[in-house]
Amino acid sequence: DTGVSQNPRHKITKRGQNVTFRCDPISEHNRLYWYRQTLGQGPEFLTYFQNEAQLEKSRLLSDRFSAERPKGSFSTLEIQRTEQGDSAMYLCASSSRLAGGERETQYFGPGTRLLVL
Amino acid sequence: KQEVTQIPAALSVPEGENLVLNCSFTDSAIYNLQWFRQDPGKGLTSLLLIQSSQREQTSGRLNASLDKSSGRSTLYIAASQPGDSATYLCAVYGGATNKLIFGTGTLLAVQP
Repeated sequence: DTGVSQNPRHKITKRGQNVTFRCDPISEHNRLYWYRQTLGQGPEFLTYFQNEAQLEKSRLLSDRFSAERPKGSFSTLEIQRTEQGDSAMYLCASSSRLAGGERETQYFGPGTRLLVL
Repeated sequence: KQEVTQIPAALSVPEGENLVLNCSFTDSAIYNLQWFRQDPGKGLTSLLLIQSSQREQTSGRLNASLDKSSGRSTLYIAASQPGDSATYLCAVYGGATNKLIFGTGTLLAVQP
């Protein structure tokens, strides 16, 4: 399967603990995105990488959140000192930039559902 | 600030009906618009992408249109089936940003 994969698929943690999620994009895609989706809402943008460079961060990404893409391949999203409000589905997507500058379809992974107790 | 709205929030139809889902956006300076499908507890599946220079795209029983000047898109589903039951999300990609901005979705139930 050459789609976007995310691990773990589900995570239950206690408030105050740290959690880390992993995303493996489609191999030839140089762009990687993280989104967060709460119940009944559409996904909201968190951050975006082009290769290993983190080029954009949402103000939703507080200082408890950090994302990395060290070698321009997989990415990790860490949440420190989790709060109940962090409970959500965390979605990863990847895409590649087309020659004409057009934005290609973003392909989404299955998501990681986080529940903070 | 770009805002995306989807109407209706929920829709229930009998099998075989044709239906239209609506999406509106406030800033017409977009690169493209995408329609996604999301099954409960799952990720997003891209259905159709319309570039800003295009007016519609078709895939099987799905047809999406785009009217940039009025800030509207529609997703037409022909001959609906129970397997079409899901949440349908539209998202726009525009301006100087590199992010998709999503609507809140339309929850579709097709009754057998």
